[in-house]
Amino acid sequence: NAGVTQTPKFQVLKTGQSMTLQCAQDMNHNSMYWYRQDPGMGLRLIYYSASEGTTDKGEVPNGYNVSRLNKREFSLRLESAAPSQTSVYFCASTRGRAFYEQFFGPGTRLTVL
Amino acid sequence: DAKTTQPTSMDCAEGRAANLPCNHSTISGNEYVYWYRQIHSQGPQYIIHGLKNNETNEMASLIITEDRKSSTLILPHATLRDTAVYYCIVRIGSGNTGKLIFGQGTTLQVKP
Repeated sequence: NAGVTQTPKFQVLKTGQSMTLQCAQDMNHNSMYWYRQDPGMGLRLIYYSASEGTTDKGEVPNGYNVSRLNKREFSLRLESAAPSQTSVYFCASTRGRAFYEQFFGPGTRLTVL
Repeated sequence: DAKTTQPTSMDCAEGRAANLPCNHSTISGNEYVYWYRQIHSQGPQYIIHGLKNNETNEMASLIITEDRKSSTLILPHATLRDTAVYYCIVRIGSGNTGKLIFGQGTTLQVKP
């Protein structure tokens, strides 16, 4: 099992460019999450998908969109990147709402110039 | 979800027990205490969770006070690889979306 995988690992964008961060899990988990982590800070939830076919906003959703493509994949899109979106992005998954252990991916390090 | 308070940083000697405190004075009866850690910018890793009783697994022990207003994560024999940021999180166990709210955490430095 690969667990939670994220692509790309690193990305540099110019202000105004768009991109999609990809996340996939092979654990047959129902719920998936996108977090961002700014330097010296804890993680903040951007969006989550409690189950296939549903998505909801987290703490900091502005400037992002998500797609739960199927049970395995949950993508995060930046339509018009801004320097304030420079951060490390983590994807996570868990079996379901009542289960306690979230599995995290290795992160995508994004810099917006 | 209840708010948690943790010290910003702690040191521990290698081989000794590391005791990381967490205050959660507004915790409600159906909220669990979770601990995660993050080693050097990797994705966070689940450690342990509990509701009322003390819990132990292969990684750590969790001691929750009787009034549930505080807890302590214990790493019994800390190694250099345990140097990380440790997050104490409180949330309800079921019937919610499973989302976690991370605070600043405690940076644990294990020293030789």
